[in-house]
Amino acid sequence: QVQLQESGPGLVRPSETLSLTCTVSGESMNDFYWTWIRQAPGKGLEWIGYIYYSGTTINYSSSLKSRVTMSIDTSQNQFSLRLNSVTAADTAVYYCARGGIVLGHWGQGMLVTVSS
Amino acid sequence: SYELTQPPSVSVSPGQTARITCSADILPNKYVYWYQQKPGQAPVLAIFKDNKRSSVIPERFSGSSSGTIATLTISGVQAEDEADYYCQSTDNSDPPHVIFGGGTKLTVL
Repeated sequence: QVQLQESGPGLVRPSETLSLTCTVSGESMNDFYWTWIRQAPGKGLEWIGYIYYSGTTINYSSSLKSRVTMSIDTSQNQFSLRLNSVTAADTAVYYCARGGIVLGHWGQGMLVTVSS
Repeated sequence: SYELTQPPSVSVSPGQTARITCSADILPNKYVYWYQQKPGQAPVLAIFKDNKRSSVIPERFSGSSSGTIATLTISGVQAEDEADYYCQSTDNSDPPHVIFGGGTKLTVL
């Protein structure tokens, strides 16, 4: 059974870069897409983007595209998210998930707060 | 950009049938997926490709889609079904972008 775990700083200063890593265990990352989603406090789900295991396909939300970078390292069983120039509006629980369209397995989520 | 519209809330008594809708002009040509999210937990895939039930979801959950409306139906609602439910689909971008509905809070009275 695949398991995903988000990790990274829980507090980020405004204008700085949010960096998160998702570690995958239990199954190979090969042949799958890997996705980031976020959920602001009390709000709905927002898709951030996905990356193919080979790194050959990366697809970002139009609203975040100018600030987002995703990468993947299958040798470390990890994929990562970087979101630059953050503001308070980026405060959210960040989830990683397996799949590009069908999100069948999710991490438990990690709260990232943007505050000085 | 496309939007998936869900009612903010649905309330039913235990044992009744709950129906949660998801509407968008784009849906006739797209699959719809449904996720269940209980408080403090990550979402769980409930229904995929309109009407395929996830193995971890009870049989009382079903999905359907017709025209511009997709529906998640919960027959014989139980207290444990109280949760937020999100529909999800894709837009016409290449590669496709994922879009989520705003979510529906199901309250079991």
